[in-house]
Amino acid sequence: GDSVTQMEGPVTLSEEAFLTINCTYTATGYPSLFWYVQYPGEGLQLLLKATKADDKGSNKGFEATYRKETTSFHLEKGSVQVSDSAVYFCALNSGGRGGADGLTFGKGTHLIIQP
Amino acid sequence: KAGVTQTPRYLIKTRGQQVTLSCSPISGHRSVSWYQQTPGQGLQFLFEYFSETQRNKGNFPGRFSGRQFSNSRSEMNVSTLELGDSALYLCASSLAGQPYNSPLHFGNGTRLTVT
Repeated sequence: GDSVTQMEGPVTLSEEAFLTINCTYTATGYPSLFWYVQYPGEGLQLLLKATKADDKGSNKGFEATYRKETTSFHLEKGSVQVSDSAVYFCALNSGGRGGADGLTFGKGTHLIIQP
Repeated sequence: KAGVTQTPRYLIKTRGQQVTLSCSPISGHRSVSWYQQTPGQGLQFLFEYFSETQRNKGNFPGRFSGRQFSNSRSEMNVSTLELGDSALYLCASSLAGQPYNSPLHFGNGTRLTVT
């Protein structure tokens, strides 16, 4: 079955540091890939997505590139801020039968940014 | 625009009881999905409803059921509660019900504790 693997953390960085959160996946076919973020006290929200190989999703300074050859979708940001502290979830959907098959999530990475 | 609303926020039940959770999607969204979040298993897809029909179901026992009403509001029911059902239950809505075309918008969840 489908699966997503990501580091769980917590990952602690200083403000303005470079961020990488690794995400690798196993899926049938050609899945769509997502990063969701959960800020303290809030629901999950979509951060970025990529729907085909070599696509780059980007939002709020975060980027991730769909790498089919390495089955990866690593999240990066050049300079993190304290406000980026949150839990980040990598997810995939390998549907395509006309309905929402549901997202398969990684366990989440807790990111802590220190001033 | 109001977000996804889940009620109640917290529930405490006893083993063997049943429970009903409610979800009001964003206005205009016709798809509602349910997820279970636990520290051990992470986020797992329960089922998805679109226009009052269950379109897909995850790998959960029949004790977990749901329904959707004509106004797109959804309820999830768990019968014969077990200790392992203690979790955060998340509801998500989307316009078309296909995550790779329209993002999922999550509520803040209902925290269920089974004693």
